[in-house]
Amino acid sequence: GAVVSQHPSWVICKSGTSVKIECRSLDFQATTMFWYRQFPKQSLMLMATSNEGSKATYEQGVEKDKFLINHASLTLSTLTVTSAHPEDSSFYICSASVIYEQYFGPGTRLTVT
Amino acid sequence: QQQVKQSPQSLIVQKGGISIINCAYENTAFDYFPWYQQFPGKGPALLIAIRPDVSEKKEGRFTISFNKSAKQFSLHIMDSQPGDSATYFCAALNYGGATNKLIFGTGTLLAVQP
Repeated sequence: GAVVSQHPSWVICKSGTSVKIECRSLDFQATTMFWYRQFPKQSLMLMATSNEGSKATYEQGVEKDKFLINHASLTLSTLTVTSAHPEDSSFYICSASVIYEQYFGPGTRLTVT
Repeated sequence: QQQVKQSPQSLIVQKGGISIINCAYENTAFDYFPWYQQFPGKGPALLIAIRPDVSEKKEGRFTISFNKSAKQFSLHIMDSQPGDSATYFCAALNYGGATNKLIFGTGTLLAVQP
């Protein structure tokens, strides 16, 4: 149980384009989902907290107009990287929470060329 | 006060040995302490977690020891195996706080040599 999926697992896009990443909780309903970014050999950096039916709460320094988050249902949250640039290349990971336990997706590797 | 300090940064253990990773925190409002295991190119997987009303929790070869007065907790991996080679993150959470955000340690890269 407590499986979280992400799609796509990896994506390459050209600079200036937008890319959408989906995060789904497959066998449970999650009232809260989180989006993280991880650089090589570093810890996870929280980008935003997403609650179903309400606006996401972004961490300080994260551009909300660049990283658009939509939490349309209790099992789906999406992250759209708009007007992507090479510096946005990273490993993006979502998690879904059940009470206080957080379960992570497998991650999405984004490369912007 | 929101930080979780994790050590060591890297660890090499022989197969069959005990791996020990330590974490310390300052915020006494934290009330949930999970450990995550992450393999390269994968998302973190919840390994084991503890709440501060117990001092130890064991699941298979993995044990969390929790010292509330010292504000420290540690992960012990008994009979370490090469398949345990991964990065381990401790974390802390104040459930019911303003936000249910996990505060992560910096990670420990464990290598178990055969």
